[in-house]
Amino acid sequence: LAKTTQPISMDSYEGQEVNITCSHNNIATNDYITWYQQFPSQGPRFIIQGYKTKVTNEVASLFIPADRKSSTLSLPRVSLSDTAVYYCLVGFHSGGGADGLTFGKGTHLIIQP
Amino acid sequence: GAVVSQHPSWVICKSGTSVKIECRSLDFQATTMFWYRQFPKQSLMLMATSNEGSKATYEQGVEKDKFLINHASLTLSTLTVTSAHPEDSSFYICSARPDRENSPLHFGNGTRLTVT
Repeated sequence: LAKTTQPISMDSYEGQEVNITCSHNNIATNDYITWYQQFPSQGPRFIIQGYKTKVTNEVASLFIPADRKSSTLSLPRVSLSDTAVYYCLVGFHSGGGADGLTFGKGTHLIIQP
Repeated sequence: GAVVSQHPSWVICKSGTSVKIECRSLDFQATTMFWYRQFPKQSLMLMATSNEGSKATYEQGVEKDKFLINHASLTLSTLTVTSAHPEDSSFYICSARPDRENSPLHFGNGTRLTVT
């Protein structure tokens, strides 16, 4: 399983765009990149998943360069409620079997008014 | 869609007793489910992989006789903490992935276990 490296913490302000970058230098060809958000005493919540280039949904965008050795989660116009820990995970998803994803330390994002 | 329900959300038990935690995939089937443990201000640690109809696979350092896992159907996995001790107090989280290609993991809301 590819190891991931993220900043331990980040600060920003309400209304700003926040970009969190994750390094995964030994990502495998079949690996997908998935981002999760976790609030205290809750399970992680799926945010977005991608394989290459750019993926966008209603809450975030995910940018993946051609070499796929890193990825950037972009949160547009953050609010106080976006204060949470964000995890980047890399792994292979098979329809028949599955691997438990290994969590890194995550990024504690703090949004201030 | 892709909801994982975990029950109970919190439990307090006495040292030496056993506690069962349930994990259900409500709107999808999951051949494989995963159990994680999280200590305060730390990341999630994978404990075991639960496979429907077969024995669970435990991560190194996790005692299989202490953390009994049963995955009797495609929508239910249970984790039983046997002979609980205070050091077993933690936040336990289950996850499941729909049985289709490249689906992400979805997580339950966790169970806070306190052993007194």
